[in-house]
Amino acid sequence: DVKVTQSSRYLVKRTGEKVFLECVQDMDHENMFWYRQDPGLGLRLIYFSYDVKMKEKGDIPEGYSVSREKKERFSLILESASTNQTSMYLCASSSSGTGPEKLFFGSGTQLSVL
Amino acid sequence: QQQVKQSPQSLIVQKGGISIINCAYENTAFDYFPWYQQFPGKGPALLIAIRPDVSEKKEGRFTISFNKSAKQFSLHIMDSQPGDSATYFCAARIENSGGSNYKLTFGKGTLLTVNP
Repeated sequence: DVKVTQSSRYLVKRTGEKVFLECVQDMDHENMFWYRQDPGLGLRLIYFSYDVKMKEKGDIPEGYSVSREKKERFSLILESASTNQTSMYLCASSSSGTGPEKLFFGSGTQLSVL
Repeated sequence: QQQVKQSPQSLIVQKGGISIINCAYENTAFDYFPWYQQFPGKGPALLIAIRPDVSEKKEGRFTISFNKSAKQFSLHIMDSQPGDSATYFCAARIENSGGSNYKLTFGKGTLLTVNP
């Protein structure tokens, strides 16, 4: 089974801190995605990557950046955390060859910014 | 506008009943329509999907109905069970601007509760 692992289940940070959310997948997938999930707003795409060292903005990239130095790892960075970035963050991966629309999600990181 | 509108926001159904969740879209560039199921504490997982050249797809108790002219699609859960209680997201796939990959746009989700 595909496994997408997010480094922390719960995270509490202070306003202004630099925050790193880490995601690792073990199925050699080309594509990786970061979504945030908020009640009543569903899943919104922050950033995605189709290859190492490549990134593209999603629908809500403001206040975030990403890094993909290795194929299996995709990091989401909050340069200066703000309270409106309190949310559930979901990482996902997919294979370009066998179904780019089939996303495999991690269990999420609940980030609280105080 | 890359947007998928989903309704209702929440749904309560009795065991054995039919659950129906609806989605609508505007962008005709969407070319694939999956549904994801999410249980509490877990990430979403692909449940069933349909292509726009098909009007219906059935997998067990789950059926997608697709109306291309109306730009609407729906998920029907027959004989709903308490174990089906979860949040359901519809989604639509669009080709990335570079032409070599795709991304998904999700609806806002429907919280389904099936009472025993």
